[in-house]
Amino acid sequence: GAGVSQSPSNKVTEKGKDVELRCDPISGHTALYWYRQSLGQGLEFLIYFQGNSAPDKSGLPSDRFSAERTGGSVSTLTIQRTQQEDSAVYLCASSAMSGAGTEAFFGQGTRLTVV
Amino acid sequence: RKEVEQDPGPFNVPEGATVAFNCTYSNSASQSFFWYRQDCRKEPKLLMSVYSSGNEDGRFTAQLNRASQYISLLIRDSKLSDSATYLCVVMRQAGTALIFGKGTTLSVSS
Repeated sequence: GAGVSQSPSNKVTEKGKDVELRCDPISGHTALYWYRQSLGQGLEFLIYFQGNSAPDKSGLPSDRFSAERTGGSVSTLTIQRTQQEDSAVYLCASSAMSGAGTEAFFGQGTRLTVV
Repeated sequence: RKEVEQDPGPFNVPEGATVAFNCTYSNSASQSFFWYRQDCRKEPKLLMSVYSSGNEDGRFTAQLNRASQYISLLIRDSKLSDSATYLCVVMRQAGTALIFGKGTTLSVSS
């Protein structure tokens, strides 16, 4: 069975351009998470989707960042007017449900470089 | 104060050593707790959940102290393959986001 799939695996963009990062979660998983990891740093929480509930956007660093999840499956993270400090690995994870003992499965990430 | 705090290390230990990592969390309403492992340039993977009564999985033992808002991971008889970054993870409340600590780096040498 397929795991969490992210695309593209690498993205180089010019400062000021918009980028879209895609995440295909494991089929049937209701919870989906986006994180950002800068070189040598920990995972910074960005946004969380759970079923049909309103997403938890408390981690988005600025209004240049947005995400949506269509039909409870695929999610897209959009960064507008990219800045050099946006360069990082963007990781997506999904889980079957949210609660004690639930495992989150991660994709391999999208490495974003803003030049 | 950060929501989840860990000593970044690195911890450099010889094979066979016992090593312990600690983690504290700030949100007393946090419901669920985990340790994840991340190898260099790889995605994080679940190592073990942490239960209130403490739990063990082979050489790994996890403990939770809700009163002190403190989580620990003990690794016995360290192996070279244990070299990785260990991430303390807290679920804020039931059905909400997972928050990761910055991780503790372990290097096991022969």
